[in-house]
Order: sequence, then structure tokens, then C-alpha cells
Amino acid sequence: NAGVMQNPRHLVRRRGQEARLRCSPMKGHSHVYWYRQLPEEGLKFMVYLQKENIIDESGMPKERFSAEFPKEGPSILRIQQVVRGDSAAYFCASSPDLVYGYTFGSGTRLTVV
Amino acid sequence: AQKVTQAQTEISVVEKEDVTLDCVYETRDTTYYLFWYKQPPSGELVFLIRRNSFDEQNEISGRYSWNFQKSTSSFNFTITASQVVDSAVYFCALSAVQGAQKLVFGQGTRLTINP
Repeated sequence: NAGVMQNPRHLVRRRGQEARLRCSPMKGHSHVYWYRQLPEEGLKFMVYLQKENIIDESGMPKERFSAEFPKEGPSILRIQQVVRGDSAAYFCASSPDLVYGYTFGSGTRLTVV
Repeated sequence: AQKVTQAQTEISVVEKEDVTLDCVYETRDTTYYLFWYKQPPSGELVFLIRRNSFDEQNEISGRYSWNFQKSTSSFNFTITASQVVDSAVYFCALSAVQGAQKLVFGQGTRLTINP
């Protein structure tokens, strides 16, 4: 059973472009979380999704950021019109149900130039 | 509100020394989970332990041990006979048992083990 797969591993975008980060949860996992690790700020929760539903997006910036977890396919974190301050590592985690906790992927390192 | 404090920003020791990483937390929940994660230089997050707040027994796993003290809201992590491969950033985290169970992380402690 493969772990949580995130791609790309590294992503470089110019200011103003869109960034799309993908997360394929472990097989059978219907809960997905996204966290962001900004330099000097530590790891922060962004959003929690179950299949086709956003459950908690209290950590998402109000503008330019969106997340989805469709019935089929990976979860996507989308950042529109990226700015230098979006440069960070973005981690996805998945869980079969919350009793067992969750497993993190290896992260996507976004660099905005 | 929940908060996790790791007061030690960086620790450097010589190989084979024992080292303890401190973690203090704040929460109003009566039950909660506490975690430790390791982030090696390669960048991934490696799960080390999850502890439920009603289980105050200390845990040992090989060279790793955890001391949970509910009375002082601390969940400290000790590495015995440290090795160079233990060099990493270590994060303590807290979550509620109910609801979304989103993790609140401490700022991390960068541990360097020198040969």
C-alpha cells in the first residue's frame, strides 16, 4: 500500500501564475488535510476535506487559495496569482477515519520567483 | 485555544549523549491527543508517537522515550545514546479528540548530533 503521494515534489512559479498541488491519499482513506510550513513560522493547518466536501477551512487564506477532494482523483490545493510569500512547503495528510490518526506525504516545495 | 511551546529552538550534542526535547502545551479540552514528529533534512514528516491524554504511562520505543506529565502539561521526548541519524527538526503537536482533529504544532526543535 503506497503512502500518501504528493506531486510535484518541487514547483517553481513566477509571481502571478497559478500553482496546483496534488495529493493522492492512501488507498481507502477518505479524509485529507493540508498543512503549510512557512519559513520561520512552523507548520499550520490549512484545510480538512472529506470526499467532495470541505469540512474545515479555518486555516485557509481568504483569497487566492482553494482546495478540493473530488469523488474520483487526487485532492488539489490551488493557489491563484502566487506571490513570493506563498513560497513554502505544503504537506498533505490522509486518514481512513479519525480514530487512527493520519499519515503525511513528503510535501511539495513551492518556490515563487 | 490550543497552543504548543517548544522552548528549545536548537540543541547540539555529541553522539552517544542522551538528549531531552521539551514540549509544553495548553488546551481547554479534557481529552486530547499529543504527538511527536521528526523532520529529517530530506524534509518529510515522520510520525513518531500519538498519545491520548487519559493514558499517562510513559512510553519507550528503542532509544526513544516519552514522558507525559498532565499535571505540568508537558510531553517531553528523550533520545538515549543519540546517533548522527537522529539529527532533524522535531515537532510536538496537539489535537482535539473530537471534530476535525487538526494538529497544532510547536515551532520545532532543531537537533544536531555531532560525531
